[in-house]
Amino acid sequence: GESVGLHLPTLSVQEGDNSIINCAYSNSASDYFIWYKQESGKGPQFIIDIRSNMDKRQGQRVTVLLNKTVKHLSLQIAATQPGDSAVYFCAETRSNDYKLSFGAGTTVTVRA
Amino acid sequence: ETGVTQTPRHLVMGMTNKKSLKCEQHLGHNAMYWYKQSAKKPLELMFVYSLEERVENNSVPSRFSPECPNSSHLFLHLHTLQPEDSALYLCASSQTGYGYTFGSGTRLTVV
Repeated sequence: GESVGLHLPTLSVQEGDNSIINCAYSNSASDYFIWYKQESGKGPQFIIDIRSNMDKRQGQRVTVLLNKTVKHLSLQIAATQPGDSAVYFCAETRSNDYKLSFGAGTTVTVRA
Repeated sequence: ETGVTQTPRHLVMGMTNKKSLKCEQHLGHNAMYWYKQSAKKPLELMFVYSLEERVENNSVPSRFSPECPNSSHLFLHLHTLQPEDSALYLCASSQTGYGYTFGSGTRLTVV
């Protein structure tokens, strides 16, 4: 699979490989984190979330990892497919707040 | 189709026109948002309504005027816009402590 270190704006992945998208968050008081996927011409769509009492959460082909010590969040996509090509955003908030803070986004391009 | 519906999907308007963007949610959420998304820029928060009251206005020019008549509807009234206002305008809703549900956006072009 391919990975990026701290946030990079673009990621090119071979179809079938695993992808890892990283995100550093800023607010140590944040306790709820979300990954969104935005395809061209569409609004962002919820992929997976995680609360601070967990380190890892799995969905269908996606896994989110949370490292509170270094304030780092990652999204792993297994067996990347052409339909995974999109911009991926991480977001953070506090459970008693209504406002999300968004990261800059990573553009993932899947090569056939 | 998401739980948040935005109309129109596309809008072309002249700089002297007045138009409105509409957003509707039937998710029972208690907060609604307008975001601006320009090419190669992060999402920019414009306005936040919580329980139908505007709780945040992020230094948005007065040519953008929001309206939230009830918990399910949000409007963005536009007048005398500039070409640099061309962007994707996203509406979202949420319940406190949870993530947003976004609409598909209105692609606005100001000519």
